[in-house]
Amino acid sequence: KNQVEQSPQSLIILEGKNCTLQCNYTVSPFSNLRWYKQDTGRGPVSLTIMTFSENTKSNGRYTATLDADTKQSSLHITASQLSDSASYICVVIPYNTDKLIFGTGTRLQVFP
Amino acid sequence: EPEVTQTPSHQVTQMGQEVILRCVPISNHLYFYWYRQILGQKVEFLVSFYNNEISEKSEIFDDQFSVERPDGSNFTLKIRSTKLEDSAMYFCASSQTAGTGELFFGEGSRLTVL
Repeated sequence: KNQVEQSPQSLIILEGKNCTLQCNYTVSPFSNLRWYKQDTGRGPVSLTIMTFSENTKSNGRYTATLDADTKQSSLHITASQLSDSASYICVVIPYNTDKLIFGTGTRLQVFP
Repeated sequence: EPEVTQTPSHQVTQMGQEVILRCVPISNHLYFYWYRQILGQKVEFLVSFYNNEISEKSEIFDDQFSVERPDGSNFTLKIRSTKLEDSAMYFCASSQTAGTGELFFGEGSRLTVL
């Protein structure tokens, strides 16, 4: 069964600190893996999109990595800001479909 | 910046009533989607729509659900006879290309079934 699991479930950090969120998936084969940011009660917003052949992708303070051999991805947030408080969701798209499979998300809270 | 817009933002309805959720996708996009998120749970795929027909649907999208693009700009999700378990946030999304294309989500329509 295609699954996307994330850890930790929630995370609290202080403003200015870095953090890394993890994603493990069983979807295979897949065409691409994405990270989304979702503020409470809002729609998801795309942060990064990586194809199966890419190892890393950056978007400002966000850097995603992908290891297709171990079926793991991570999202690294540098110099966190209060506005980074949100849920971060790992999403995998299986090969030959455009149906997104969402992970359980990591709830990040950044405190001053 | 173009965006996906959804109406209503919140709808409360009685069990058994019909509900129509509306979406205006980004104007030059060709692929349209509905997703839902039950409170506290992950986002789930409902249906994808391209070239005026359903291209893929999940097991959640049963005969109570239907989608339509009635006028070339709106994209609607109809729930024929709502159940308590239909209470969720429904997200519309659109993209220019399928598969690897970036997906843009609306802000969602919260449906509460009493």
